[in-house]
Amino acid sequence: DAGITQSPRHKVTETGTPVTLRCHQTENHRYMYWYRQDPGHGLRLIHYSYGVKDTDKGEVSDGYSVSRSKTEDFLLTLESATSSQTSVYFCAIRPGGTDTQYFGPGTRLTVL
Amino acid sequence: AQSVAQPEDQVNVAEGNPLTVKCTYSVSGNPYLFWYVQYPNRGLQFLLKYITGDNLVKGSYGFEAEFNKSQTSFHLKKPSALVSDSALYFCAVREEGSNYQLIWGAGTKLIIKP
Repeated sequence: DAGITQSPRHKVTETGTPVTLRCHQTENHRYMYWYRQDPGHGLRLIHYSYGVKDTDKGEVSDGYSVSRSKTEDFLLTLESATSSQTSVYFCAIRPGGTDTQYFGPGTRLTVL
Repeated sequence: AQSVAQPEDQVNVAEGNPLTVKCTYSVSGNPYLFWYVQYPNRGLQFLLKYITGDNLVKGSYGFEAEFNKSQTSFHLKKPSALVSDSALYFCAVREEGSNYQLIWGAGTKLIIKP
């Protein structure tokens, strides 16, 4: 999985609780992405980062925030989880100068 | 606006037969097109991409895709399917000159039967 790890791999939480998902890369790529995957929707971009402390919103950013204080880590936070945020979350990196994205193994999040 | 359509939710093919997974796109300018595969409980893996040049692009695991500008299509093909090809396949596009964000299709489940 291109040196990308995600933690936790599985999480069950309750509505209203905060949740943080972590994406870690070992190759110091500048560009990182958070997606959610839901049946019938493919992948939808939540947030992305183009450097340390440089982030921007994707198409489904409401209810999510991100932080990137180090090149290798990109954190996704659900401030107050809702059942509609039950999904599989994927992190991806993109080497500079290329279009190809490489994905982590995913985190399956269930919000009860 | 950019968009991608994968018109088939599922494709069933007998092992050894040729397979095609369809993808059509809509962009204003020149498209950059991608195919990714997702095996169960795994992340997506890059298969191939079209940026420019030859309309027939060859990728990993014996897959290829044909870019057809007039039909705005980028169908994924393989001459002889394997049971191990069974997976979820995603097409994605971005427009030349845009930022590097990809627009993704909904995915097509490919089932290869022995």
